[in-house]
Amino acid sequence: AQSVTQLDSQVPVFEEAPVELRCNYSSSVSVYLFWYVQYPNQGLQLLLKYLSGSTLVKGINGFEAEFNKSQTSFHLRKPSVHISDTAEYFCAVLDTGGFKTIFGAGTRLFVKA
Amino acid sequence: GAGVSQSPSNKVTEKGKDVELRCDPISGHTALYWYRQSLGQGLEFLIYFQGNSAPDKSGLPSDRFSAERTGGSVSTLTIQRTQQEDSAVYLCASSLDGREEPGELFFGEGSRLTVL
Repeated sequence: AQSVTQLDSQVPVFEEAPVELRCNYSSSVSVYLFWYVQYPNQGLQLLLKYLSGSTLVKGINGFEAEFNKSQTSFHLRKPSVHISDTAEYFCAVLDTGGFKTIFGAGTRLFVKA
Repeated sequence: GAGVSQSPSNKVTEKGKDVELRCDPISGHTALYWYRQSLGQGLEFLIYFQGNSAPDKSGLPSDRFSAERTGGSVSTLTIQRTQQEDSAVYLCASSLDGREEPGELFFGEGSRLTVL
């Protein structure tokens, strides 16, 4: 069965600084990978996804993530964060051919002025 | 059309009572999911509906939990004899097809359940 580990429960960072939110997964088969974002008092929305092809995936709001198969990682990065990026970020994995998306515990990003 | 709609947005109930949570998915979406989000934890998969196929109930935590999807659209999650550990945000998501567009889930804003 798949599982997702988000190594940091909270990440405080100053505005305009770079940030990396870490995600590792385990699965016995090939996978699709996702990052979702949940802004305060809102539902989750898709930030970016890796299905196949280029391992560097770009998403909305300047975020990107890199799929590393050998390290089973899919870390999320942004070179310069804004106050408005304050949210909870969830990494998720889906076995190819499956339907059950498994989510990590989430990382709460706090951007400080 | 409109996004995924969930009701009620907040529900406070007494231990032992039954509750029903409703989800109205995006029109045309054939796949519907229920997840539970507890404080400090990720999203816990509960149940999955795909068209007219039998649902995957493998994530339901106990037999007090059940869900239905009528006419391939609206879904109701029912929790019987609620316990304090059932307190959480219950999230519903839908997608066009769980297989054709892998993992593109559209979430509602959730129903926050508090069991006193």
